[in-house]
Amino acid sequence: NAGVTQTPKFRVLKTGQSMTLLCAQDMNHEYMYWYRQDPGMGLRLIHYSVGEGTTAKGEVPDGYNVSRLKKQNFLLGLESAAPSQTSVYFCASEGVTREAFFGQGTRLTVV
Amino acid sequence: AQSVTQPDIHITVSEGASLELRCNYSYGATPYLFWYVQSPGQGLQLLLKYFSGDTLVQGIKGFEAEFKRSQSSFNLRKPSVHWSDAAEYFCAVFITGGGNKLTFGTGTQLKVEL
Repeated sequence: NAGVTQTPKFRVLKTGQSMTLLCAQDMNHEYMYWYRQDPGMGLRLIHYSVGEGTTAKGEVPDGYNVSRLKKQNFLLGLESAAPSQTSVYFCASEGVTREAFFGQGTRLTVV
Repeated sequence: AQSVTQPDIHITVSEGASLELRCNYSYGATPYLFWYVQSPGQGLQLLLKYFSGDTLVQGIKGFEAEFKRSQSSFNLRKPSVHWSDAAEYFCAVFITGGGNKLTFGTGTQLKVEL
């Protein structure tokens, strides 16, 4: 049972480049989240999904897009990366028990 | 809007001493309440949760938390801290019907002195 898997684990982008972060969960959870973690700011919610085919904006959605075409996958896209998007990104999924399970994180640097 | 406050950014305690980490939330309804722990370079792990019922909840690793409705607080406690407890601790809330999303506080970094 893999739980929540994020790919890639590390990435360096140049300003203006695009990329997609993949989150996959094998627990049949309805809810999935993307957070970014920055020093002193905790985890801030970027986007989330309450089920397949649905997405919603979180606290800091600008510059990001998401898709949830399959229940097990939640993709986070950066269309034109900026240095301000340098961060550690965490994906989480949540089931009926309301316990969130987290991936190991993706460390993204935009130069 | 959902708001979770952890007023202590850093806390240092000696090994064997007691610990209390503070968490306050600001909502009209009683949310689901959680404490998570994050070790360096790792994702977050659930310590404990409160949904309803007994206001004192027990979690893993000897942690407990008490929900106080009158103070809108959910403080995390441990009677005797171990060096391995050094980590970052996050309080989180989930409000049903309020956007249905999990919101985190800014975290408290715990340092344990030997």
